[in-house]
Amino acid sequence: QVQLVESGGGLVKPGGSLKLSCVVSGFPLNDNYINWIRHVPGKGLEWLSYISDNDKMFADSVKGRVTISRDTAKKSVYLQLNSLRAEDTAVYHCARLRCSDGSCFWGQFDLWGQGTLVTVSS
Amino acid sequence: QSVLTQPPSMSAAPGQSVTISCSGSGSNIGSNTVSWYQLVPGTAPKFVMYNNDQRPPGVTDRFSASKSGTSVFLAISGLQADDEADYFCTSWDDILNGVVFGGGTKLTVL
Repeated sequence: QVQLVESGGGLVKPGGSLKLSCVVSGFPLNDNYINWIRHVPGKGLEWLSYISDNDKMFADSVKGRVTISRDTAKKSVYLQLNSLRAEDTAVYHCARLRCSDGSCFWGQFDLWGQGTLVTVSS
Repeated sequence: QSVLTQPPSMSAAPGQSVTISCSGSGSNIGSNTVSWYQLVPGTAPKFVMYNNDQRPPGVTDRFSASKSGTSVFLAISGLQADDEADYFCTSWDDILNGVVFGGGTKLTVL
């Protein structure tokens, strides 16, 4: 079954850290861009980061506080969140970028996971 | 504040049609394509439109979309209860050099 499944969310105190996982099934990690996007319920979506075979990138809003990595043997992508703040409270989704015939299309995320909730509160 | 502007909420009765707008500028919608996503809390967001007006495989033809200048419109006809969701538009922004999203529209099927 082609899917993404996130885990690792929870309640963390301000200043704390959390490592989110995204397990990929039904397609290879290689040749795909896996992104992290967060959603504050009642508010908008925010793209955070991606990782590909050769590259990784971060949004300015989280640069320096977030790292992204992957383990192809475990078919997993990880997002490490550090120095967490109340405004980081959100549902964190991983999402695959749509690629076709060797081209990939920014803004087109064709497969998402159901998300994992991160709550930052004392 | 989201870069792309959507109405916060819309509602319509089952069987009716609704059109959700998404407005941007020349650096995003005006020069790049738009995609749409359907979010139901607790479930995986669904990719329902790309390249302004293309439906991904498996998306019902009750969903259609169009673009005019720096605005795009997602139309849903024959509304059903399970169309009730938050809908988000997204595009690339050439000035911000990143993906930008709309603030989302909560669609209620009365």
